[in-house]
Amino acid sequence: EAGVTQFPSHSVIEKGQTVTLRCDPISGHDNLYWYRRVMGKEIKFLLHFVKESKQDESGMPNNRFLAERTGGTYSTLKVQPAELEDSGVYFCASSRERTLQFFGPGTRLTVL
Amino acid sequence: LAKTTQPISMDSYEGQEVNITCSHNNIATNDYITWYQQFPSQGPRFIIQGYKTKVTNEVASLFIPADRKSSTLSLPRVSLSDTAVYYCLVGDVNDYKLSFGAGTTVTVRA
Repeated sequence: EAGVTQFPSHSVIEKGQTVTLRCDPISGHDNLYWYRRVMGKEIKFLLHFVKESKQDESGMPNNRFLAERTGGTYSTLKVQPAELEDSGVYFCASSRERTLQFFGPGTRLTVL
Repeated sequence: LAKTTQPISMDSYEGQEVNITCSHNNIATNDYITWYQQFPSQGPRFIIQGYKTKVTNEVASLFIPADRKSSTLSLPRVSLSDTAVYYCLVGDVNDYKLSFGAGTTVTVRA
């Protein structure tokens, strides 16, 4: 069974540019989550999808972040425009059961 | 979510047993204890979950005393590849917002 995949593994962009991160969950997992760790901080929850519906986006830092999950399969997280403080590692996870989440390797985002 | 406290770091040698204790004094009746492991440049990986007494799988054992105010993750005969950050999480099984905290960095030396 393939695990959660994320693309790209690394992204370096200039402040003010747009970046889109992609997550492919494990097949059959209706629950999909985004987390991030910014420099020196702990991993923090961003949002939760059940199939294509956003169940909870309380962790999204501001309206520069937009997550979608069209068709209930893969998900994208767009940052527009990117700011310096957005640098960090963005993790995607998927699950059948809520506490047993399978994480992807993360996308390391660097905003210059 | 119940707050957890665990050591920042632990050092060990290959072949030894590593025990990481996590304190969670305000654990609620419906809360479970879950441990995740994270290797460098990877996402966290679930290793074990328990409610009370002892749980064992192929990776680790989890010991939970009767009062459930703490728990101990036991890694038997560690190898260099067990070097990782280990996170103790406490929450209801319906809690999807996992709260990782700082974790315990375990370093295994030859």
